[in-house]
Amino acid sequence: VQLQQSGAELVKPGASVKLSCKASGYTFTEYIIHWVKQRSGQGLEWIGWFYPGSGSIKYNEKFKDKATLTADKSSSTVYMELSRLTSEDSAVYFCARHGHYGNYDYWGQGTTLTVSS
Amino acid sequence: DIVLTQSPASLAVSLGQRATISCRASESVDSYGNSFMHWYQQKPGQPPKLLIYRASNLESGIPARFSGSGSRTDFTLTINPVEADDVATYYCQQSNEDPFTFGSGTKLEIK
Repeated sequence: VQLQQSGAELVKPGASVKLSCKASGYTFTEYIIHWVKQRSGQGLEWIGWFYPGSGSIKYNEKFKDKATLTADKSSSTVYMELSRLTSEDSAVYFCARHGHYGNYDYWGQGTTLTVSS
Repeated sequence: DIVLTQSPASLAVSLGQRATISCRASESVDSYGNSFMHWYQQKPGQPPKLLIYRASNLESGIPARFSGSGSRTDFTLTINPVEADDVATYYCQQSNEDPFTFGSGTKLEIK
């Protein structure tokens, strides 16, 4: 099982960015993919999840106006678009697979997003 | 949201000794006879790594030096004996109720 995330991004305030998480080594449609935010030196914050099997989505209320989750079954990739970026969005973003008990059993390597003019 | 309070925020342990990390939930994370509490290890520049799931179950490939215990609102991660490679930050996470939440982390150092 592997989750391969897209590379680091440097984006201007007010812009949008789309991060990707490409899954391999398992049946893509059978597992939920979560996104987690980690600001520098800080803890972990759940953003939301996407279930490729049905297209179901759930967001943390805090991020419902910030993040949009989508997926492309043909490439086994889940995307997260972040809009109206501010310095508060600068962080490392991880995708992670939902394990059988709600734990995260596999993680991507993380994508560093820097919002700066 | 369920708030997870970890203690201590940091601890220094001598090689070969025991490290104990606590995680207290603001409400029970038990359902259907199971505790939906999990533990992760994160080293700098790496993603978190699952150590323990459902409070006390060791993830495949994780050394038996790691163990978890607890139920309802009080949980513990124990590392015994501590090795140099265990220097990391440890997080608890609950999946009993949306939104899934994490503790604030405990940084383990070698004394």
